[in-house]
Amino acid sequence: DTGVSQNPRHKITKRGQNVTFRCDPISEHNRLYWYRQTLGQGPEFLTYFQNEAQLEKSRLLSDRFSAERPKGSFSTLEIQRTEQGDSAMYLCASSLSGEGNGYTFGSGTRLTVV
Amino acid sequence: KNEVEQSPQNLTAQEGEFITINCSYSVGISALHWLQQHPGGGIVSLFMLSSGKKKHGRLIATINIQEKHSSLHITASHPRDSAVYICAADGGATNKLIFGTGTLLAVQP
Repeated sequence: DTGVSQNPRHKITKRGQNVTFRCDPISEHNRLYWYRQTLGQGPEFLTYFQNEAQLEKSRLLSDRFSAERPKGSFSTLEIQRTEQGDSAMYLCASSLSGEGNGYTFGSGTRLTVV
Repeated sequence: KNEVEQSPQNLTAQEGEFITINCSYSVGISALHWLQQHPGGGIVSLFMLSSGKKKHGRLIATINIQEKHSSLHITASHPRDSAVYICAADGGATNKLIFGTGTLLAVQP
């Protein structure tokens, strides 16, 4: 297993376009998290899945954002009608449920909306 | 007031110095994470603590649950330690993390 993989690493898009990011977690991890990080700030929670079920969504996740984890393995995060304020690093992490189990982070997808 | 606060925000040290980064939190936690982030974004997990102290190489992390405070220490600092160090509180039930804003560390040769 090569850890948590995110694609693409970088995405530049024009305002108003739709973008989709992919996260492949560690295969035996049942929990998958999406976070967003803007410059100079710590990451902020967006949403989380346990297996294929999306169990929590942050109020930061407007109706332009949607996330899926259809088979409980990889996940996609789509942003529709991108705005300049969506420019950020989108981080994915996975873990195994239960106390004492740590996180593994992906390298992130850096989105720039021009 | 943020639920997880770190200090200092920026830290410049000379190679070889002993470094301390502090983290205070106001939420109940099941664990406290220390993470390292290099330019380009990738985050590496350094420690996950629920009590006491952990050591890995030149890094030491401590936590005081009663005072809701944790520290990350780096002994004999080296320029390759230059990075952003982030603490994050794990609230437990969902294991989602609440992050501090990070400490930007620059170790000069």
